[in-house]
Amino acid sequence: SAVISQKPSRDICQRGTSLTIQCQVDSQVTMMFWYRQQPGQSLTLIATANQGSEATYESGFVIDKFPISRPNLTFSTLTVSNMSPEDSSIYLCSVDMLAGGDEQFFGPGTRLTVL
Amino acid sequence: QKEVEQDPGPLSVPEGAIVSLNCTYSNSAFQYFMWYRQYSRKGPELLMYTYSSGNKEDGRFTAQVDKSSKYISLFIRDSQPSDSATYLCAMFQGGKLIFGQGTELSVKP
Repeated sequence: SAVISQKPSRDICQRGTSLTIQCQVDSQVTMMFWYRQQPGQSLTLIATANQGSEATYESGFVIDKFPISRPNLTFSTLTVSNMSPEDSSIYLCSVDMLAGGDEQFFGPGTRLTVL
Repeated sequence: QKEVEQDPGPLSVPEGAIVSLNCTYSNSAFQYFMWYRQYSRKGPELLMYTYSSGNKEDGRFTAQVDKSSKYISLFIRDSQPSDSATYLCAMFQGGKLIFGQGTELSVKP
């Protein structure tokens, strides 16, 4: 497994602003993922963060709203842009140690509330 | 129809009970099956991983997969208050995980 940290752990933001969430891993990993977990809902994959290239977004998620950076093999950021109350959610990063995508380990999550 | 269906609960049992958590799925292409445990205000933790039909046991936990029925289960024996958490099934196909809604379990002392 890996030790994964996220910053911030929680935040309360105003409508129309943006928040950047950081994900740090204690070892180099090929694959990093960003998920959203809305209240009472399951985890939904937002995108796969690729090192050295653009992120791969899932249907319903776009780069303008959720820009992602992956500058190296231990770090990634997700920005939630132009926030609305509907963006209130828990945002989680995960990593796959074996590069297959099937065995993922999750960070503690960032709890975001948009007023 | 969702690809993965899971009864959200909540499920409340007394300490020592046997717990059965279940998921059904519609996509026969799913290759691997996982159970994650998520404590309140924490990230999901990988609990069990299986890839074939049959049973896999790890301590008090048994994961069961029935590919012919597109049905997976997690059994917890001698449940403890520390097992109180949300349990999510997940399935892998095409490079990504698809999660069930999660079942909230409470084990009362």
